[in-house]
Amino acid sequence: NAGVTQTPKFRILKIGQSMTLQCTQDMNHNYMYWYRQDPGMGLKLIYYSVGAGITDKGEVPNGYNVSRSTTEDFPLRLELAAPSQTSVYFCASVGRGQGGNQPQHFGDGTRLSIL
Amino acid sequence: GNSVTQMEGPVTLSEEAFLTINCTYTATGYPSLFWYVQYPGEGLQLLLKATKADDKGSNKGFEATYRKETTSFHLEKGSVQVSDSAVYFCALNAGNQFYFGTGTSLTVIP
Repeated sequence: NAGVTQTPKFRILKIGQSMTLQCTQDMNHNYMYWYRQDPGMGLKLIYYSVGAGITDKGEVPNGYNVSRSTTEDFPLRLELAAPSQTSVYFCASVGRGQGGNQPQHFGDGTRLSIL
Repeated sequence: GNSVTQMEGPVTLSEEAFLTINCTYTATGYPSLFWYVQYPGEGLQLLLKATKADDKGSNKGFEATYRKETTSFHLEKGSVQVSDSAVYFCALNAGNQFYFGTGTSLTVIP
């Protein structure tokens, strides 16, 4: 059971570079989320999607973009990396429409440093 | 709005001690409540959940009861082990979004 898979696990970027964090899930979940976790802090929602072709901003969307062309994939793009984006990024998914409130399933995270 | 307030850490306990981590929430409607655990270098894993008032979630000796009258969902374990050392997050689900507390770091010493 792969669950939620994030790549890469680690990355170092220079200021101004761009990159895409990949997230894929094999559970046919319609809802997917991107969070960032700063040291000693909780999770802050960046973007989320309730299905293919639909995305919405969370609490901290500035500096990021997302797309959702398939149910499985939900990549997060950083266009102009800034030191403030140094963080651990988590992707999560949850299935809806199955009755009741289900928990999110998380990937193992991408640790991103911007220097 | 929706929010979760969680007991500040870090918490250090001796093995076999009793654990309580406090969690209170603010929400409109009737949210579902969750406790997640995060081990070093890993993502969050569901520990337990409760979907309505007075529900008790339990798993691996941990318990939490959904108390609507006090808007609380405190995590308890009667006898902690070294392997319980981790960061614990309280969360609620309202609508399309999940809201997390800031996490409580637990270290259990032999």
